[in-house]
Amino acid sequence: GAVVSQHPSWVICKSGTSVKIECRSLDFQATTMFWYRQFPKQSLMLMATSNEGSKATYEQGVEKDKFLINHASLTLSTLTVTSAHPEDSSFYICSARDQSRDPGGKLFFGSGTQLSVL
Amino acid sequence: QQQVKQSPQSLIVQKGGIPIINCAYENTAFDYFPWYQQFPGKGPALLIAIRPDVSEKKEGRFTISFNKSAKQFSLHIMDSQPGDSATYFCAASGNEKLTFGTGTRLTIIP
Repeated sequence: GAVVSQHPSWVICKSGTSVKIECRSLDFQATTMFWYRQFPKQSLMLMATSNEGSKATYEQGVEKDKFLINHASLTLSTLTVTSAHPEDSSFYICSARDQSRDPGGKLFFGSGTQLSVL
Repeated sequence: QQQVKQSPQSLIVQKGGIPIINCAYENTAFDYFPWYQQFPGKGPALLIAIRPDVSEKKEGRFTISFNKSAKQFSLHIMDSQPGDSATYFCAASGNEKLTFGTGTRLTIIP
């Protein structure tokens, strides 16, 4: 299946700093990528839809100024957690769909990024 | 209604048994129903998916049963092994976005 690479796998930062997480589609182009957040032992909650060349679409209740998304190319989307606080500590996961091979179908996930804010 | 309800929350099955995980949805616009397996600290991995035009799909030891009229679908794992111990999520989508179930923590005991 298609490969989605996410980096870093884990990051520890001080409160007030910003953290950038990268999501790359390695063997396909993705005009749309999705960012999820997952708390321990809970389900995945969609945060935003990242659109190549245009603004991201955020889900209700997600602060767009805190979670900055940039999708500058067909293979890379970034999520920047700005002025991170301990309550932002979570597992962040990106995903993408290979539209050319399976339109509207299989969604592949990155390996996730564990963010811990001290 | 975008919710996908999943049960049970946790499940313990002996090796070789057939764990069954159930999901129910309300949005009739959903037309794609995947199951994902997630190990601790990892992203979800797609196991198997079904569309509403079929009632059953089998891939290896994994089978999805789909009941369109009841708006329910389930995952069966044949000949379960300790390595199948993980959290399983059902999901549904009618557009590009996936809505996930609450997850089932499966433990296969030797």
